[in-house]
Amino acid sequence: DGGITQSPKYLFRKEGQNVTLSCEQNLNHDAMYWYRQDPGQGLRLIYYSQIVNDFQKGDIAEGYSVSREKKESFPLTVTSAQKNPTAFYLCASSTDREDYEQYFGPGTRLTVT
Amino acid sequence: KQEVTQIPAALSVPEGENLVLNCSFTDSAIYNLQWFRQDPGKGLTSLLLIQSSQREQTSGRLNASLDKSSGRSTLYIAASQPGDSATYLCAVRRGGQGGSEKLVFGKGTKLTVNP
Repeated sequence: DGGITQSPKYLFRKEGQNVTLSCEQNLNHDAMYWYRQDPGQGLRLIYYSQIVNDFQKGDIAEGYSVSREKKESFPLTVTSAQKNPTAFYLCASSTDREDYEQYFGPGTRLTVT
Repeated sequence: KQEVTQIPAALSVPEGENLVLNCSFTDSAIYNLQWFRQDPGKGLTSLLLIQSSQREQTSGRLNASLDKSSGRSTLYIAASQPGDSATYLCAVRRGGQGGSEKLVFGKGTKLTVNP
């Protein structure tokens, strides 16, 4: 089945630790995205990548880092510099057709205490 | 700056009712608009995508319309069922060079369909 996988589903970390969230897609999409979702705030774009070895900051990139070494993979690292890391993180990819329709993974809920 | 608003934030209806969810956006220069469904604790599922040149799209009991000039879109759900209970989000993709890769999301409408 084609789709986007995110692991793990739940992640717990102590404050001050970096943590990496995994995102893999087998849809052969060039573009991939990371969003953060908080209650009452909607989805906010963290980083996006339109092609391998290239990525751009979204609206809330501070405290996060990404890499795009393979077309299928777009891991997100939440660093200790992120002041409020507890959130639901969603990875997405989009088609290369003209409509750029976005497809989402199941999400990772990160809790930092 | 594009802003997307969805009203109401929550809606509760009896099973079988037809209903309309609203989405408005401030900048009419959009590339397309996408409606999503999100179940609690899950990712987003794409329901319908309307290109800026289109007026509406249909899939089963769902019909989405787009009026670019007024900055509005509606999602019509016919004969609602308890399984339709979820949060519905709309998102617009900015038009023009360099912007077509980003979606701007509304905060969603939480729909509850009561048996």
